[in-house]
Amino acid sequence: ETGVTQTPRHLVMGMTNKKSLKCEQHLGHNAMYWYKQSAKKPLELMFVYSLEERVENNSVPSRFSPECPNSSHLFLHLHTLQPEDSALYLCASSQDSAGLNEQFFGPGTRLTVL
Amino acid sequence: QKEVEQNSGPLSVPEGAIASLNCTYSDRGSQSFFWYRQYSGKSPELIMFIYSNGDKEDGRFTAQLNKASQYVSLLIRDSQPSDSATYLCAVATGGFKTIFGAGTRLFVKA
Repeated sequence: ETGVTQTPRHLVMGMTNKKSLKCEQHLGHNAMYWYKQSAKKPLELMFVYSLEERVENNSVPSRFSPECPNSSHLFLHLHTLQPEDSALYLCASSQDSAGLNEQFFGPGTRLTVL
Repeated sequence: QKEVEQNSGPLSVPEGAIASLNCTYSDRGSQSFFWYRQYSGKSPELIMFIYSNGDKEDGRFTAQLNKASQYVSLLIRDSQPSDSATYLCAVATGGFKTIFGAGTRLFVKA
């Protein structure tokens, strides 16, 4: 257990559905991240929040919408996804974003878009 | 394009041998370097980090950094079958951005 939890662990959705992924960290960290991991590809950074403010957005399609209500919780709202969005979505947190950046990952949500 | 390159493998070593995993990066301004281990179906787990040139040892693991050559490596001594996993090299380039390599698959044969 890393102190970062994610729900749900598995999600199957149609292209017209709306769903949300949830992440919670119990480590007292200041920064939280969403990554996408597709087969045989590097982890892709999607969003970064520091002290509840979005500080990084890596040209992610608008069908992915993040929300960070406080420093312990992070959501990823999904709508009108495409089959190519099927992947493992990982949440991570770190104590401090200023370069050191040791990140602790949650178990991930395996998303399948039909 | 800022990149982190790793040999995808698989790298196969016998039990008890030294496994050597290598990584190169393109951004000379990179500040922090990490090795994560990822078992199949699981999330990445941090095993080592290094910030300064030279070697850093932690148990059976040694991370080596050469900033002039833009090269970071991970040595696993006395490899065990439980070390079989994908090893991700990650480079923090400042601020909040960490770039991951695609990973090297390691198989340790009993």
